[in-house]
Amino acid sequence: EAQVTQNPRYLITVTGKKLTVTCSQNMNHEYMSWYRQDPGLGLRQIYYSMNVEVTDKGDVPEGYKVSRKEKRNFPLILESPSPNQTSLYFCASSLYGQGAYGYTFGSGTRLTVV
Amino acid sequence: RKEVEQDPGPFNVPEGATVAFNCTYSNSASQSFFWYRQDCRKEPKLLMSVYSSGNEDGRFTAQLNRASQYISLLIRDSKLSDSATYLCVVNPYNNNDMRFGAGTRLTVKP
Repeated sequence: EAQVTQNPRYLITVTGKKLTVTCSQNMNHEYMSWYRQDPGLGLRQIYYSMNVEVTDKGDVPEGYKVSRKEKRNFPLILESPSPNQTSLYFCASSLYGQGAYGYTFGSGTRLTVV
Repeated sequence: RKEVEQDPGPFNVPEGATVAFNCTYSNSASQSFFWYRQDCRKEPKLLMSVYSSGNEDGRFTAQLNRASQYISLLIRDSKLSDSATYLCVVNPYNNNDMRFGAGTRLTVKP
């Protein structure tokens, strides 16, 4: 089954404790992206990657890092999480240059930083 | 002005009703448009693309008005299962830079 897999689904952590949210897709998509979703603000892009070893900042990149060492994986790293990073996070992928076909999203990661 | 704006609702309608949502966008050069559906606490899922000529998929009809820079979604004969948040998505440059509206919440009641 074609899908985007995120882990974990839920995470509660403390301020300053480094964490990684994993994202993997099995559709051979070149483009992958991370979003956060907060009430009333919609989805905001954190980082995106056009291909292996090619990443770039989205609209709200502060406090986040990403890497794209393999085509299928695009982990999101929070080096020192803070409470304002409490949010619902989605990973998404699509064919490169095929934005016209929309995204496939992972199931989401609900992160709480206390 | 936000790049993509939607009425957050909620829209509360009875089963069988027809309901329509609009979404305005600010970038007149925008190339691709979509409606996504998002159930509570779940991931958004592509409902339909919006073509210049308009398109229909069963009970759902999407329209694009480039002159006024808005897209619309019409749902006929609403079902309880249509209850969800509907996200308007605009792709300004026909690449992967999707811009999401905050969503319109629909509740269909018996």
